[in-house]
Amino acid sequence: QSALTQPPSASGSPGQSVTISCTGTSSDVGDYNYVSWYQQHPGKAPKLMIYEVTKRPSGVPDRFSGSKSGNTASLTVSGLQAEDEADYYCSSYADSNIAVFGGGTRVTVL
Amino acid sequence: EEQLLESGGGLVQPGGSLRLSCAGSGFSFTNYAMTWVRQAPGQGPEWVSGITGSGGSTTYAGSVKGRFTISRDSSKNTLFLQMNSLRAEDTAIYYCAKDLRIWSSGGMDLWGRGTTVTVSS
Repeated sequence: QSALTQPPSASGSPGQSVTISCTGTSSDVGDYNYVSWYQQHPGKAPKLMIYEVTKRPSGVPDRFSGSKSGNTASLTVSGLQAEDEADYYCSSYADSNIAVFGGGTRVTVL
Repeated sequence: EEQLLESGGGLVQPGGSLRLSCAGSGFSFTNYAMTWVRQAPGQGPEWVSGITGSGGSTTYAGSVKGRFTISRDSSKNTLFLQMNSLRAEDTAIYYCAKDLRIWSSGGMDLWGRGTTVTVSS
């Protein structure tokens, strides 16, 4: 199972929005509504930000939102704040009851 | 407070074995699938293996299938990963994570701090 494809970097000024894409196949993103997004700061474990494409765990700001169209999922961070600067990874449930991660996108707040 | 604490990492020679443990607390252990995820230095996470809440079903990434075995002891709220025939490319931080569902959906809302495995001669 190949990793999901994400752009290596994205950036925006404080208050702006940034959208990260996550492209998979019909064996993962395209066929299941089990796409998750994780935020990871240096030296820390990943933190769940979005699950099942659009749902936010308790405590995650509503500035974070998710969507999906076909084989591509997206994470949008609105109203960028300095603390949003981190690496973001998507993951998807896939055929054969496994999960796959994306390669990650480093978000920089300018 | 929900918590996961991994242990068992260390330095091992190629071809060797290690057994990782992950102790869970603060939640009903059998109600959730559990997962091992690893992250090599400078790389993104890699899903390694998952086990259902009952322990009746397990799945593995192709890169570890046949070498790693996931298991859980619900009486002790503990998750395990037996790693055999270790290779240099298995070097990583190994995290255990709690899934949102009783099966491995890929949505993991609780992570441990990780334990480091280094495979080197």
